[in-house]
Amino acid sequence: GAGVSQSPRYKVAKRGQDVALRCDPISGHVSLFWYQQALGQGPEFLTYFQNEAQLDKSGLPSDRFFAERPEGSVSTLKIQRTQQEDSAVYLCASSLAIRDGSYNSPLHFGNGTRLTVT
Amino acid sequence: SQQGEEDPQALSIQEGENATMNCSYKTSINNLQWYRQNSGRGLVHLILIRSNEREKHSGRLRVTLDTSKKSSSLLITASRAADTASYFCATDGRRDDKIIFGKGTRLHILP
Repeated sequence: GAGVSQSPRYKVAKRGQDVALRCDPISGHVSLFWYQQALGQGPEFLTYFQNEAQLDKSGLPSDRFFAERPEGSVSTLKIQRTQQEDSAVYLCASSLAIRDGSYNSPLHFGNGTRLTVT
Repeated sequence: SQQGEEDPQALSIQEGENATMNCSYKTSINNLQWYRQNSGRGLVHLILIRSNEREKHSGRLRVTLDTSKKSSSLLITASRAADTASYFCATDGRRDDKIIFGKGTRLHILP
């Protein structure tokens, strides 16, 4: 594809609802990252995949957050029982690189999903 | 948590002037990258500098890295209205897979 695609672009959820955010990375990209960005802040790391393996999930704020990438391509970030503090833009980024101690490939970002929890 | 810390938080300059943004980080790194983000969009990669490099150029961009001070600067020369955006530094540490972003500098170019 032309770039990283995220859907939906906007999502409004009532508090307590579950949501699923989708990321289609650039074809062939091995690495995939999820970030959470609050208004006026920088992206906060959530989790990282190398192919289908979730190598780091230390940034997930609680056990309500779950991410998967079962076939090493499309990834889904799921948030259960959404809370107002989950309102943010969720960014997905992919990269060609395989982490080998020296990360030299840039990240390609999607335009994000803006989640609003009411 | 955020590794990088950019300053200033916000910067307004006249079109044609140079803009300088700084980034400080806390732990040893492999590489440092700079990204730009326009309002409502994803981040776009600008330039990457490796830990063993001190300076790098790309068009109107100049990046320096001082690993002894754990700091980097991004210089945009001859600024244009289209440079109005937020700019973030990002680092990847030697010990883990995370790529961590700073809080960003919001740059506004005045016509």
